[in-house]
Amino acid sequence: SYVLTQPPSVSVAPGKTATITCGGNNIGSKSVHWYQQKPGQAPMVVIYYDKDRPSGIPERFSGSNSGNTATLTISRVDAGDEADYYCQVWHSGGDPPSSVFGGGTKVTVL
Amino acid sequence: QLQLQESGPGLVKPLETLPLTCTVSGASITSTLYYWGWIRQPPGKGLEWIGSVYYSGTTYYKPSLSSRVAISVDTSKNQFSLKLKSVTAADTAIYYCARVAYSSGWWGAFEIWGQGTMVVVSS
Repeated sequence: SYVLTQPPSVSVAPGKTATITCGGNNIGSKSVHWYQQKPGQAPMVVIYYDKDRPSGIPERFSGSNSGNTATLTISRVDAGDEADYYCQVWHSGGDPPSSVFGGGTKVTVL
Repeated sequence: QLQLQESGPGLVKPLETLPLTCTVSGASITSTLYYWGWIRQPPGKGLEWIGSVYYSGTTYYKPSLSSRVAISVDTSKNQFSLKLKSVTAADTAIYYCARVAYSSGWWGAFEIWGQGTMVVVSS
């Protein structure tokens, strides 16, 4: 089965940049979606198809995907960005399509 | 405005079947552009995809759960449902339903989520 690997935690000072990675075998050939989840809330898409932002998501959120690593970058971090972030892909590889989430990264704003 | 709402028992006994329903409002479940899915999250842990269903009844399941899972759709009620058999404490989780875009083999994000419902497996 396909595995996505994320760092468990990232700490960042206000105003700085947070970088969250999502590792997977040849993940650059897949579309990666990113979710933000705050305590007690359902997840919310912040980036879809590697780099597109849904309406209402600040430009501070950006994504990239190449090789074996996808990256979510949050610029000018503020306290409101403190949350868990998950990457997600669809994988088939000849089998029926299956969705996979990364283990999640907790972003702490110092 | 599209909304998804999960419903079902908050407590299920071990080895019994967990039944959940997701009611879709503000859009038709028969849209050809979307699949509908179930995702769960054990307390303090990450997200796990369970499976997805198309309005026609086509389903895809997480391989490790496929022997215990059945997802179905009721277009007359604009609902889709999850049944998880032979549950154990490991199935205790928040269960979310969500909509995912699909077009010609391209899968999108789980773009709209329900608020989630907590299910505890305990005797």
